[in-house]
Amino acid sequence: DTAVSQTPKYLVTQMGNDKSIKCEQNLGHDTMYWYKQDSKKFLKIMFSYNNKELIINETVPNRFSPKSPDKAHLNLHINSLELGDSAVYFCASSQVGMSSGNTIYFGEGSWLTVV
Amino acid sequence: TQLLEQSPQFLSIQEGENLTVYCNSSSVFSSLQWYRQEPGEGPVLLVTVVTGGEVKKLKRLTFQFGDARKDSSLHITAAQPGDTGLYLCAGYSWGKFQFGAGTQVVVTP
Repeated sequence: DTAVSQTPKYLVTQMGNDKSIKCEQNLGHDTMYWYKQDSKKFLKIMFSYNNKELIINETVPNRFSPKSPDKAHLNLHINSLELGDSAVYFCASSQVGMSSGNTIYFGEGSWLTVV
Repeated sequence: TQLLEQSPQFLSIQEGENLTVYCNSSSVFSSLQWYRQEPGEGPVLLVTVVTGGEVKKLKRLTFQFGDARKDSSLHITAAQPGDTGLYLCAGYSWGKFQFGAGTQVVVTP
């Protein structure tokens, strides 16, 4: 069983469209994250939720809206997609909130290409 | 501006050779983690180092945290093709882990 699973794995869409990426974790963790990895492999945190509550919200355009219906799910909705949104988006989870000794478990990534 | 600089960006070696990758910053971290990411997969945690000067070994991999907790190194002895991947360091500060851009390691048979 995949610990952190996200769908779709690949997504090609046109500029201006709205799309969602879904994420589920079966590890029983309280905290979930969304990261963005750009073409230079730089991995940057976007959002963090702890028990459905938003904890970390980095400087991300408000076209990106995370939603956590329960602590096992964290979905990412993106409005009015732009070319610069093309990247790999990783969902992740950890046992407790982000702390110095935590292990972050990543999903396999969702490869978004905006054309 | 990236908080963590990793070097080299790319490293290609033959099986059996040794390699070292570096993670440097001007900031002090409470802890530092190393991850390996394989193509089409998410990063997987290899180790967490917490104490300045700490050395941890994981089979053929040796991780060291700098005395000042600003830098770290990863040394692989007798590299194997299975060691191929993107090695990412992540430092913990200001309530979150900040990642470097990674070192792509390719080990050819």
